[in-house]
This record gives sequence, structure tokens and C-alpha cells, in this order.
Amino acid sequence: AQTVTQSQPEMSVQEAETVTLSCTYDTSENNYYLFWYKQPPSRQMILVIRQEAYKQQNATENRFSVNFQKAAKSFSLKISDSQLGDTAMYFCAFINTDKLIFGTGTRLQVFP
Amino acid sequence: DVKVTQSSRYLVKRTGEKVFLECVQDMDHENMFWYRQDPGLGLRLIYFSYDVKMKEKGDIPEGYSVSREKKERFSLILESASTNQTSMYLCASSLLGTGRMNTEAFFGQGTRLTVV
Repeated sequence: AQTVTQSQPEMSVQEAETVTLSCTYDTSENNYYLFWYKQPPSRQMILVIRQEAYKQQNATENRFSVNFQKAAKSFSLKISDSQLGDTAMYFCAFINTDKLIFGTGTRLQVFP
Repeated sequence: DVKVTQSSRYLVKRTGEKVFLECVQDMDHENMFWYRQDPGLGLRLIYFSYDVKMKEKGDIPEGYSVSREKKERFSLILESASTNQTSMYLCASSLLGTGRMNTEAFFGQGTRLTVV
């Protein structure tokens, strides 16, 4: 069975600092996508960053970057220069052909 | 601008009622999903559909059914609502398969259902 595990229920970081959210997954597939989604208090899920499994290069989107370790099945999210607006739930997710599976989420609080 | 629209943001229903949650997407996506979100449990997949009239059970289908008569619309049905179905329900859609460049899922704004 495919699973996604986020072992940090809550994290906090000071504004302008860097924080890393962890995610591991389990699959026997070789071709798949991984995602980080953000859910602010408004409840709207927003895609933060996407990684294709066949690409070795780690994805980067402005202040957000990932550390993708395919052999270890690890997909962590690094947020640099944290901002108050980054306060949200963050979900790691996995998809191969059709099924989109999520982790349990990490609640991130950014303090001024 | 891509859009997934859920028919209600908040809903209160009585135990035993039949409840319909509607979701419409305007992106011509093949895949559509229904999740429920509960604190500490993340998003759990109830059902998904990869084509009109096709459906697949997710991880927690018990007590739910779905309908996909048209490509753009995916309905979640609670045949007889119970208090343990009080939750946030999220609908999403995406293009089919990993061969597509744009395989991300787009979400509706969620329906917070309370069963009393």
C-alpha cells in the first residue's frame, strides 16, 4: 500500500528564519509525483511545490525548496526567510497513475 | 483561472438524512476526488473517479457513495448521515496519469458538514 508519513504534527519558526518540514512515503512504483500543499486558515488548499520522481534535481519555487531522496523515499520541504503568511497546515502528497494520497499534515506557526 | 467549486461552505444536517455534496470543475479534468479532513488524520480519500460513470473506492468509503454522470461534476452522497460523518469535506480534480505535465490537483474551498 502507498502511504505518506509526516512525523511532525506541529512546528514553529521565527520570522526570517529557515524551517524544514519532513515527509517520507512508501511505494513500489518508479514513476510518480510528489507535492507539498499549503492550507491557510481560509481552508483553500494551495500547491506550494511539485517534484517529479524521474528528475534528480530538487525543485525550487522562490523561498520554497525540496530535498528529494528517492532511494530513501524522503521528500522534505525547506522554507527560507519565513514570513507570517507562511503560517498554515502543510501537507505532503503523492500521486502515481490516479490515486492522490496525503500525509497527516504539519501545522506551521511563524512568530514575529 | 482554474476553478473547483463546492456547492456549500457550511452545512448542518440531521442524523439519518440523505446528504448530497456537489463539486464542479471547469478544467476538463478526468480525475476527481473526495476527501474528508479531520484533525490529526490529515486528508483521507473517500472515493475517486477517473472518468464519467467510473468510480473507485478510496481508503474510507463506508457510509458514502458517489455519482459522476458528467465529466465536470462529482457528487458525494451520505445515504444516512451519522454524527461520525461530521467533518470537513474537500473535493479535488486533476489530469489523468503521470505522463501529463500538469498533474497537480486543484481543490475546492471545502464543505464543513455538521451532523446533529
